[in-house]
This record gives sequence, C-alpha cells and structure tokens, in this order.
Amino acid sequence: GQNIDQPTEMTATEGAIVQINCTYQTSGFNGLFWYQQHAGEAPTFLSYNVLDGLEEKGRFSSFLSRSKGYSYLLLKELQMKDSASYLCAVRDDDYKLSFGAGTTVTVRA
Amino acid sequence: GAVVSQHPSRVICKSGTSVKIECRSLDFQATTMFWYRQFPKQSLMLMATSNEGSKATYEQGVEKDKFLINHASLTLSTLTVTSAHPEDSSFYICSARNRGTGYSNQPQHFGDGTRLSIL
Repeated sequence: GQNIDQPTEMTATEGAIVQINCTYQTSGFNGLFWYQQHAGEAPTFLSYNVLDGLEEKGRFSSFLSRSKGYSYLLLKELQMKDSASYLCAVRDDDYKLSFGAGTTVTVRA
Repeated sequence: GAVVSQHPSRVICKSGTSVKIECRSLDFQATTMFWYRQFPKQSLMLMATSNEGSKATYEQGVEKDKFLINHASLTLSTLTVTSAHPEDSSFYICSARNRGTGYSNQPQHFGDGTRLSIL
C-alpha cells in the first residue's frame, strides 16, 4: 500500500514563498505528482517528478528525493488566487495514483 | 491539451435512485480510466480502474455491485451508482490516461467531477 503524508494547513503572506513537504512510503514508484484543487473543483496538474532533483515551472517548483521518500512543492511570489488545497500523489507501476490528504494553503494580504 | 469531460456536473436525487456518470476523453484514446471519490475535506480515494474491453478492477472496500463500471470504448467510461443512499453523497471524479506511446510521464487528466447529493 501507499502511505503519503503532508501538512494539513499552511498560511503565508501575499508575495512570500511557501514550501509544502510530502513524505511517502510506497510499494512501487512510478512518479510523484502535485495537483492544485480549489474548493468544489477537480484537481489540476502542477508538476511531475520521477528522477531526483528539482523541476521548475514558473512560480512553482517541485523537488524529489527517491532515496528519502521525500518531495516538496515550492510556491513563489504567492498570489491570493494560490489559496487552495495542494495534493501530493504517488503513481505506482500500474499507473494508479494514491493521494495525500492535501495541504490547505491560505494566502493573506 | 488533453481534455476529459465528465457529465453531469451535479445530481440531486431521492434515495433509491440509480445515477449514471459519464467520463469521456475528448482528444485522445484512453485504455484506462480511473474513478475517484472525495468526501468533504478529504483527499481523493481511488474506487476502481476501468479498462476498455474488460472488467473493472475495484479497490478494497468498494462494492462492485453497487458501483457498476462500463468502459465500452476507448473514449468513454461510465460509473453507475445503483440504489444510491445518502451516504453515497460525494464528489466523484474520473481521470484518464493517454494510451499513446511516450506518455509514460504524463499526468492523469481529470474530469471536472460530479457532485452527487442523495436526499
């Protein structure tokens, strides 16, 4: 099975940087994904890591260390619209995604 | 980009009704589609994997006779919640995987979800 842990909530100020950590213990690993989900909506894809290292995509970056079972999502230059839930998800060899419980990020002015 | 369409977006019906939800891949072929359920303030939980032309694979604890899945074509999977009860009220989301080569690193594409409310 999969065990994926991430903090429940985080609060940050507009323009600041926030780092959301995710640790996982899984049987089989075929990539780690980060999704953003606004209340009442479906998740939208943010980033994908399968090799160790940092993937940068505009204001969002994601890091992976497979040996440590660890990833983080870095959100820079926070905007009010970034207030949402951020889901860490691990894909297994059957292409099934297992999701963490999500981290609710609140951006304050 | 890849688009997944899910219909209907919202259903409100009486207890005992059966509800069908459709999931379509609009611009790609999907041999595999996934059905998730999300209760308020919780994460997505995989219910079943839908395979085109074969039986769906259900996750532990999901009743296959209650949640009927049909994947009759490469672009359509349906989930039918049979004899729905209030405890089945939830947000149901489908996703699809592109069967094409070179897509191993691509994310699953999610539909917009169906909010099911059973009275």
